[in-house]
Amino acid sequence: RKEVEQDPGPFNVPEGATVAFNCTYSNSASQSFFWYRQDCRKEPKLLMSVYSSGNEDGRFTAQLNRASQYISLLIRDSKLSDSATYLCVVNEGGSYIPTFGRGTSLIVHP
Amino acid sequence: EAQVTQNPRYLITVTGKKLTVTCSQNMNHEYMSWYRQDPGLGLRQIYYSMNVEVTDKGDVPEGYKVSRKEKRNFPLILESPSPNQTSLYFCATQASGDYEQYFGPGTRLTVT
Repeated sequence: RKEVEQDPGPFNVPEGATVAFNCTYSNSASQSFFWYRQDCRKEPKLLMSVYSSGNEDGRFTAQLNRASQYISLLIRDSKLSDSATYLCVVNEGGSYIPTFGRGTSLIVHP
Repeated sequence: EAQVTQNPRYLITVTGKKLTVTCSQNMNHEYMSWYRQDPGLGLRQIYYSMNVEVTDKGDVPEGYKVSRKEKRNFPLILESPSPNQTSLYFCATQASGDYEQYFGPGTRLTVT
């Protein structure tokens, strides 16, 4: 069975802090990796894709480590508006069917 | 505006009373799916559809039915709802050749 594991948190951090989440996956055939953001009681929305070379979008950096089968999300200079649940999503090679992690909750406080 | 719509958004019903949750998209996406989300369990896929008249079971299909008669619509049917189907339901769409999923706003269902 495909598994995508995340620390549920919550991660409670002050504004301006740097916080990192990891997500491990069990299926070595996984090819595509994503981070979604979900606000309370709202629908998930794509935050960023995760490329083999790593990628950065403003304060957010995503990394992939295929050897250890994990992906990470780093948030620098946390804002109050970053408070949300972050979902790790993995697709097996050639499959459009994603496997979702259970999410990591982030709370940024003043 | 690209949209995925779900109706109703909120529903309280009683055990055994058949219901349908509609999902409609205007993006001409081939792939559509239904998820339920429960505390501590995350998003679990119920059914998915790769295209019109092509549907398949996800991880938790028991107690649900779907149909895909048109590309834009993918209704979720609960023939005889039970309290363990109380959950937050999301419809999602995806274009062929793309991995990004677009979610509807969710339907909060309570079965008493």
